[in-house]
Amino acid sequence: AQSVAQPEDQVNVAEGNPLTVKCTYSVSGNPYLFWYVQYPNRGLQFLLKYITGDNLVKGSYGFEAEFNKSQTSFHLKKPSALVSDSALYFCAVRDGEGANNLFFGTGTRLTVIP
Amino acid sequence: DTGVSQDPRHKITKRGQNVTFRCDPISEHNRLYWYRQTLGQGPEFLTYFQNEAQLEKSRLLSDRFSAERPKGSFSTLEIQRTEQGDSAMYLCASSPPSGENTEAFFGQGTRLTVV
Repeated sequence: AQSVAQPEDQVNVAEGNPLTVKCTYSVSGNPYLFWYVQYPNRGLQFLLKYITGDNLVKGSYGFEAEFNKSQTSFHLKKPSALVSDSALYFCAVRDGEGANNLFFGTGTRLTVIP
Repeated sequence: DTGVSQDPRHKITKRGQNVTFRCDPISEHNRLYWYRQTLGQGPEFLTYFQNEAQLEKSRLLSDRFSAERPKGSFSTLEIQRTEQGDSAMYLCASSPPSGENTEAFFGQGTRLTVV
């Protein structure tokens, strides 16, 4: 069975500081990992994904994430947070080739304090 | 805008009534998904279409729920005899033919409130 854990419901960070939003996963096959962001009254927007290759992936708006197979983690990071980054962030996993659906975590609300 | 479009954006209905939502995916995407999101939770998978074929259904999709994609383009999700527990955001997403390793693109959702 597949699962995703986002251990922090809320993350607060000062503007200009680095931010990290944590995600761990469990799958039976090879993980396909995704980060999405949700702004109020908006749909989910894709940020980045890991399928294969380099463990450090770069995505939209200056975000990046590092795939760590031994720790089964895929933490989202950004070197310098912006107030406009304040939103709800979801980590999601697809359980390898042949799987059709994404399994989402419960989300982490990021607040960047001016 | 050539993104995923959902209609209506909001729906308020009385318990016991039937409701139908529509999703128009990105035009070249043959894969279409429905998800449900309740407050404080991440989206939960409901069902998946490849072209017009419904290939996967979650156990969350009770007998009162039915989804169609008759011509492999737009899709509808119908809920019969709505219950208060059906109140949620219903999200549609689509992805291109090589969908296994590509991201899904989500619409803005239909927020259902059952009173």
